[in-house]
Amino acid sequence: KNQVEQSPQSLIILEGKNCTLQCNYTVSPFSNLRWYKQDTGRGPVSLTIMTFSENTKSNGRYTATLDADTKQSSLHITASQLSDSASYICVVSAPNFGNEKLTFGTGTRLTIIP
Amino acid sequence: SQTIHQWPATLVQPVGSPLSLECTVEGTSNPNLYWYRQAAGRGLQLLFYSVGIGQISSEVPQNLSASRPQDRQFILSSKKLLLSDSGFYLCAWSVLRGARGLGQYFGPGTRLTVL
Repeated sequence: KNQVEQSPQSLIILEGKNCTLQCNYTVSPFSNLRWYKQDTGRGPVSLTIMTFSENTKSNGRYTATLDADTKQSSLHITASQLSDSASYICVVSAPNFGNEKLTFGTGTRLTIIP
Repeated sequence: SQTIHQWPATLVQPVGSPLSLECTVEGTSNPNLYWYRQAAGRGLQLLFYSVGIGQISSEVPQNLSASRPQDRQFILSSKKLLLSDSGFYLCAWSVLRGARGLGQYFGPGTRLTVL
């Protein structure tokens, strides 16, 4: 069964600190892995998308890594800001007969405190 | 650039009433379109997807239906709402290159409360 597991479920850190969110998946075959940021009451916004051959991708203070062999990904946030408070969702895409099938993690709820 | 719209933003409906949520995409042609539901504190659940006008695939049996009357319009409907239909409904679009998705882009969502 295709699954995406994220850890921790929730995280509270001080403003200015760094943090790393984890994502393990069992999806196969694999097309790409995405990290989304979802503010409360809003739609998810894409942060990064990585294919099989990409090990790391950055988007400002966000850096995602992918180890396709161990099926693990991480999202590192540097110098956190209050606006980083949100849910971060890991999503793995698999090809599916001309479409794609996404498997969603349940997210990590990140809270930045001043 | 592409944009995706959903309306209404919030909706409070009584049990047994009908539902119609609309999603439109601008700036792209022949997108794949998706409806998701997100229950409080839960992950996103795919409800329907469409690869073209009039083509709807349902992922889970439920009280809802979807239609795609135009290339960039996707509608989620119900004839009689249930309490369990409450949730945050998200529309998304994507473009595929071959079998590989280039990313899914989500709308702002509709918060539905059924009383």
